[in-house]
Amino acid sequence: GAVVSQHPSRVICKSGTSVKIECRSLDFQATTMFWYRQFPKKSLMLMATSNEGSKATYEQGVEKDKFLINHASLTLSTLTVTSAHPEDSSFYICSAPRRTYNEQFFGPGTRLTVL
Amino acid sequence: LAKTTQPISMDSYEGQEVNITCSHNNIATNDYITWYQQFPSQGPRFIIQGYKTKVTNEVASLFIPADRKSSTLSLPRVSLSDTAVYYCLVGGLGNQGGKLIFGQGTELSVKP
Repeated sequence: GAVVSQHPSRVICKSGTSVKIECRSLDFQATTMFWYRQFPKKSLMLMATSNEGSKATYEQGVEKDKFLINHASLTLSTLTVTSAHPEDSSFYICSAPRRTYNEQFFGPGTRLTVL
Repeated sequence: LAKTTQPISMDSYEGQEVNITCSHNNIATNDYITWYQQFPSQGPRFIIQGYKTKVTNEVASLFIPADRKSSTLSLPRVSLSDTAVYYCLVGGLGNQGGKLIFGQGTELSVKP
């Protein structure tokens, strides 16, 4: 079946550094991908829509300069958390819809811990 | 995008049938109803999807009434491994490119 992968699965960094998270659709092309953030015991919160070949669309309240999104190809979207701070520590999940089946596949998530 | 409402939590015992109902009063004509399962520290996993009436697969059934303003996920005989959070989502490729907004989900706890 269709698979979406994320890399890395977990990352620990110092405050002030930038962290890049990759999301790949492994056996289908995705012109659109979505990025979510999830805090402990909470639901997924949509951050932004990643669009291949154009700018990402951010949800209200999400800082676009803080969370840089690049959708460089039909199978890869990256989320860069710039100048990370402890409050950015969270579980980041991406998803990609597969057009043929009107189905959305989620990545396994990336646990970010900022010290 | 339509908002969804589900019970926050449910308890069950192994071997029982569990039914989780979700309301989505503002569902659009081109929206599908999809249920996902999520375990801690994992991404959501697709369970079942439907548009109307009843859909059944190897793990669950989905019941959708004619007005489509609600849906019920039925897990036939739950086991301890079905303890997870279940999300009902409404949307589709024809609606903002497949954008999905998660509600609070239902935390299902299965006891021995």
